[in-house]
Amino acid sequence: GDSVTQMEGPVTLSEEAFLTINCTYTATGYPSLFWYVQYPGEGLQLLLKATKADDKGSNKGFEATYRKETTSFHLEKGSVQVSDSAVYFCALKLNNQGGKLIFGQGTELSVKP
Amino acid sequence: GAVVSQHPSWVICKSGTSVKIECRSLDFQATTMFWYRQFPKQSLMLMATSNEGSKATYEQGVEKDKFLINHASLTLSTLTVTSAHPEDSSFYICSARQDQPQHFGDGTRLSIL
Repeated sequence: GDSVTQMEGPVTLSEEAFLTINCTYTATGYPSLFWYVQYPGEGLQLLLKATKADDKGSNKGFEATYRKETTSFHLEKGSVQVSDSAVYFCALKLNNQGGKLIFGQGTELSVKP
Repeated sequence: GAVVSQHPSWVICKSGTSVKIECRSLDFQATTMFWYRQFPKQSLMLMATSNEGSKATYEQGVEKDKFLINHASLTLSTLTVTSAHPEDSSFYICSARQDQPQHFGDGTRLSIL
């Protein structure tokens, strides 16, 4: 079935380090791909998205490119800040499923000063 | 931007009681609302999808009689956990959408003693 797999956390980095969080997916159709961020005790916020192959989503210094050939949507940021500490979820949405999102297991990021 | 309000944010109650959680879209009409459950350090699991004026569609393994969902208007959906027990303790998150994307509430932490 359709699924999303993320690299396991927690990921601990020093401030200004480079971040990569891997995400791969399995889908029968042509999904849209998303990254959501969840701060402690809060709901999810959309970070970025890509709707078709080779699209690059970007926001707040984060980027992810929709790679159909490798079925991946890795999240990257060149220089992380302490305020980026949160849990990051990769998700996919199949366009014929009424908006239903399938989430990865989440990756906790902790950035130390 | 679009805002989804979830209430209450935290509830503690005795085993056997019923708890109602509200999800409101504040500045848009939500044709579809989703209810998710999240266990500590785990991903979001979709419980059900509700469309205004019709019965909710539950995911496999979710008890309809346990988790009652009502979507009476385009701005309000409610989730009632009936006869709650300690194993129902969790973080419940709703999301709402008009077109795209989904907007998430801040979640409700439910603790059953």
